[in-house]
Amino acid sequence: EIVMTQSPDTLSVSPGERATLSCRASRSVSTNLAWYQQKPGQAPRVLIYGASTRATGIPARFSGSGSGTDFTLTISSLQSEDFAIYYCQQYNNRPGYTFGQGTKLEIK
Amino acid sequence: QVQLVQSGAEVKKPGSSVKVSCKASGGPLNSYGISWVRQAPGQGLEWVGGILPVFDRINYAQKLQGRVTITAAEPTSTVYMEMSSLTSEDTAVYYCVEDSSGFYKAWGQGTPVTVSS
Repeated sequence: EIVMTQSPDTLSVSPGERATLSCRASRSVSTNLAWYQQKPGQAPRVLIYGASTRATGIPARFSGSGSGTDFTLTISSLQSEDFAIYYCQQYNNRPGYTFGQGTKLEIK
Repeated sequence: QVQLVQSGAEVKKPGSSVKVSCKASGGPLNSYGISWVRQAPGQGLEWVGGILPVFDRINYAQKLQGRVTITAAEPTSTVYMEMSSLTSEDTAVYYCVEDSSGFYKAWGQGTPVTVSS
């Protein structure tokens, strides 16, 4: 099983500033990496897939990068609605795609 | 765009079983895959299992093998996830997700399952 590790567990950032979230895989997943955002009481929604492709309707302030084992999600200028929990997920090998433990993005 | 609607919340006794449904709309069921992902209270996301009807393929998480059964009823575009021998560790929100590309574009609203005596 591929283990996904996110850092940090909690990130405190002020509105309008940039946030950088990291995700590391225990072995290469190529660019088969997605990022999800989850708000309290809601199902997650996909933000990024293929490591860097924004999903439909996702604002341009969200960007993803990386390949192999190291990935980054960047939110260029934080809006109030961006404070949430973010998960990375690898989908390189069926079955049993795995998620990171999540990064909570909170208001500083 | 696939839309997924799940059955309602369940409360079960330890040792019993639960069956959760997921009705899909937006295309025939054999044109995409459906997986189940669960989230225990305050915890992260865990893949439970999935079905790819077009390949007649079903897979389960190794730790749940033998306790989980996923079936599909194509005429009603409904996928079911049944879990047996429930314990308190199975208390979670269970989501069905569209799983055709590996990442999950569409999610059901979630079904809370509480296991309590």
